[in-house]
Amino acid sequence: DAMVIQNPRYQVTQFGKPVTLSCSQTLNHNVMYWYQQKSSQAPKLLFHYYDKDFNNEADTPDNFQSRRPNTSFCFLDIRSPGLGDAAMYLCATSRDRDYEQYFGPGTRLTVT
Amino acid sequence: GENVEQHPSTLSVQEGDSAVIKCTYSDSASNYFPWYKQELGKGPQLIIDIRSNVGEKKDQRIAVTLNKTAKHFSLHITETQPEDSAVYFCAASIEQGAQKLVFGQGTRLTINP
Repeated sequence: DAMVIQNPRYQVTQFGKPVTLSCSQTLNHNVMYWYQQKSSQAPKLLFHYYDKDFNNEADTPDNFQSRRPNTSFCFLDIRSPGLGDAAMYLCATSRDRDYEQYFGPGTRLTVT
Repeated sequence: GENVEQHPSTLSVQEGDSAVIKCTYSDSASNYFPWYKQELGKGPQLIIDIRSNVGEKKDQRIAVTLNKTAKHFSLHITETQPEDSAVYFCAASIEQGAQKLVFGQGTRLTINP
């Protein structure tokens, strides 16, 4: 029973064409994170939501934005994807600030 | 900011032998240290974690040790099996609690039958 669900699992978009990735969770966790993982690299935090409070990392490009319309869902929007944005995008959740993070299966984004 | 170094980058062991992966961190305020296993094409899976008030934690064949003075922590896998083959990431939290993780570079572990 999947607890952190990411859709789609694979996404192909064209250079400069906006794309949205989706994450949902059945855990009722307060915190949701988005990470970017490039090939053979470690996950890198882009931003996170603590409840409705958005927290952006200082080095996250402006091209990346996020929305969390309710507790269960969080979206990653890439306004104008470049070739360098091709990566696995991972969503993670945590019950609260001091709890473990659980990852979804990821969405692999290809930019053509 | 926090920096986490992980070694080795690749590790190959015979089935049944033990595997050890080591990480060092730079921020003495870090207080939470999880380990994740990532199989090809999948998201990272939390396998064990340790907090700064504990020196060692064990779960069946997996154990983690923490030396706060030296700022390093290690993952120990005993009686390795082929299904242990994966990439393993250590991480350290910055700020309060487990809010933000900084990951090591990963170790590709291969178990040879």
